[in-house]
Amino acid sequence: DIVMTQSPDSLAVSLGERATINCKSSQSVLYSSSNQNYLAWYQQKPGQPPKLLIYWASTRESGVPDRFSGSGSGTDFTLTISSLQAEDVAVYYCQQYYSTPFTFGPGTKVDIK
Amino acid sequence: EVQLVESGGGLVQPGGSLRLSCAASGFTFSSYWMHWVRLAPGKGLVWVSRINTDGSSTSYADSVKGRFTISRDNAKNTLYLQMNSLRAEDTAVYYCARDRVSVFDYWGQGTLVTVSS
Repeated sequence: DIVMTQSPDSLAVSLGERATINCKSSQSVLYSSSNQNYLAWYQQKPGQPPKLLIYWASTRESGVPDRFSGSGSGTDFTLTISSLQAEDVAVYYCQQYYSTPFTFGPGTKVDIK
Repeated sequence: EVQLVESGGGLVQPGGSLRLSCAASGFTFSSYWMHWVRLAPGKGLVWVSRINTDGSSTSYADSVKGRFTISRDNAKNTLYLQMNSLRAEDTAVYYCARDRVSVFDYWGQGTLVTVSS
């Protein structure tokens, strides 16, 4: 199984400042024939289901604000919130869909400082 | 509007069974693979199972293999998860999710399963 890790476990950022979350996979999730990274990011607010933010490591889902961006390739990935808003308080998960079992990172909790 | 509505959760004793349902609307259900994902208290998201469009192919997490069965009824636009031999560690909110190129683009609100004596 591909093991996903995230850092930090939690972070507190001032409104309008940048938040950066890192995700690492135990093996590459880059599919060479398509040159696509099978890596997604989800946001989950308390009492709500997860929401898809980013897929193919850097493609923003329709309707997701452009302050959210994804980067990275192979085994190392980053989710950046360029200017944190109050509504961004949530837990963020990375997930690989390169192979089953699909696996998620443990989550990073983002709060306002 | 895409909607996924889970039902069937509740309190069950260890060793018991439950069947979860996920009613889909707002899209052509028979054209999409579907998944179950769970969130245990204080834990992270865990993928549970996947089924293809006609139900002929399924996959399971090792932790539920042999105990859980995913199925679907395309005529009723409904996804199911039959859960047998339930354990305390199966306690979680169970979400159904729609598959789009293997990412989960729509999720239901979830149904809580509590396994306790």
